[in-house]
Amino acid sequence: GAGVSQSPSNKVTEKGKDVELRCDPISGHTALYWYRQSLGQGLEFLIYFQGNSAPDKSGLPSDRFSAERTGGSVSTLTIQRTQQEDSAVYLCASSLPVGSNQPQHFGDGTRLSIL
Amino acid sequence: KNQVEQSPQSLIILEGKNCTLQCNYTVSPFSNLRWYKQDTGRGPVSLTIMTFSENTKSNGRYTATLDADTKQSSLHITASQLSDSASYICVVRIYGGSQGNLIFGKGTKLSVKP
Repeated sequence: GAGVSQSPSNKVTEKGKDVELRCDPISGHTALYWYRQSLGQGLEFLIYFQGNSAPDKSGLPSDRFSAERTGGSVSTLTIQRTQQEDSAVYLCASSLPVGSNQPQHFGDGTRLSIL
Repeated sequence: KNQVEQSPQSLIILEGKNCTLQCNYTVSPFSNLRWYKQDTGRGPVSLTIMTFSENTKSNGRYTATLDADTKQSSLHITASQLSDSASYICVVRIYGGSQGNLIFGKGTKLSVKP
């Protein structure tokens, strides 16, 4: 398929463990975003990559959260020493350059549950 | 402060009826306004994008309006179907700025009952 792919779709882990979430954006999309959505809440911005520019990390809630984007394509979001409040759906989106009026294309998210 | 407020928070309507969802924003400078539909357990899907000069845009039974002077937008759903049950999210893009320039509303949860 040509959509944004996220894996795993569900992840259950114990408090204190590290987790890695993966996002495969649509080919050719230079902009990539990570968001967090807690139950019944709106989307919370985490981090934004645009091409080769330095990422906008202003939404990362703590230094336990980090993300990278290799080769301008696949991105991984890493959460270290997970806490129960990290439980949420993590959504990835990609789009053509931000300067355009193109929509974001979202994956279906990774549902993370911290026991 | 750049904000996007949506109302109502939730709405229940009968199948076949029309409804209108509201979005007010205080984002400046304005670039464009987007409406997304998010089905339960899925990622949001784009419905419409409107720039400053556009007053209305349709996508099937969905019609979005924009009043850039009053900073208000609405999403009108005609002849609702059970499949319209979802959350509808209003998003405003800032011209310039950080966070990829996008400010999200918290959404309106629509339930269409038979």
